[in-house]
Amino acid sequence: AQSVTQLDSQVPVFEEAPVELRCNYSSSVSVYLFWYVQYPNQGLQLLLKYLSGSTLVESINGFEAEFNKSQTSFHLRKPSVHISDTAEYFCAVSDRGSEKLVFGKGTKLTVNP
Amino acid sequence: NAGVTQTPKFQVLKTGQSMTLQCAQDMNHEYMSWYRQDPGMGLRLIHYSVGAGITDQGEVPNGYNVSRSTTEDFPLRLLSAAPSQTSVYFCATGTGGFEQYFGPGTRLTVT
Repeated sequence: AQSVTQLDSQVPVFEEAPVELRCNYSSSVSVYLFWYVQYPNQGLQLLLKYLSGSTLVESINGFEAEFNKSQTSFHLRKPSVHISDTAEYFCAVSDRGSEKLVFGKGTKLTVNP
Repeated sequence: NAGVTQTPKFQVLKTGQSMTLQCAQDMNHEYMSWYRQDPGMGLRLIHYSVGAGITDQGEVPNGYNVSRSTTEDFPLRLLSAAPSQTSVYFCATGTGGFEQYFGPGTRLTVT
């Protein structure tokens, strides 16, 4: 069965600093990979996804993630964070052809002024 | 287009009471699912459905029942609430495994 490991439960950074949120998954079979974001007291929103093709995927608000099949990783990066990026970020994986998502335990990103 | 709606937003139950959490979608998605979110645990799949009349168990199904009589609705029933079921519950829909859309959540407290 799939499992997802988010290596950091909390990441504090200063505004305009770069950030990397790490995600590793267990299986190297064909997978879809996702990052979801949850702002305080809200539901989950899709941030970006890897389905196929280019291993580097980007979101509209400056985040990017790279699918690394050999390392079974899908780390999320942003070169310069804003206060508004403060949220909890969840990495998720599904086997191709399956709707079932397996989530990591989440990383709380806190951006300080 | 409401997307995915969940009711109620908040609920307090006493141990042993039963209740139904409602989830409705207007996106015509075949797949619907229920997750619970607990601090430090991420989201865990409770039950899911791949279409009307078809349901299956997820990772943490004990104490919960579901049914799917229509494409639009996927209610989650707590048969006899326990304090361990205090959580935030999210309903999600999707199609083809490409993306799932989440409702706003129901915050449940069992005393």
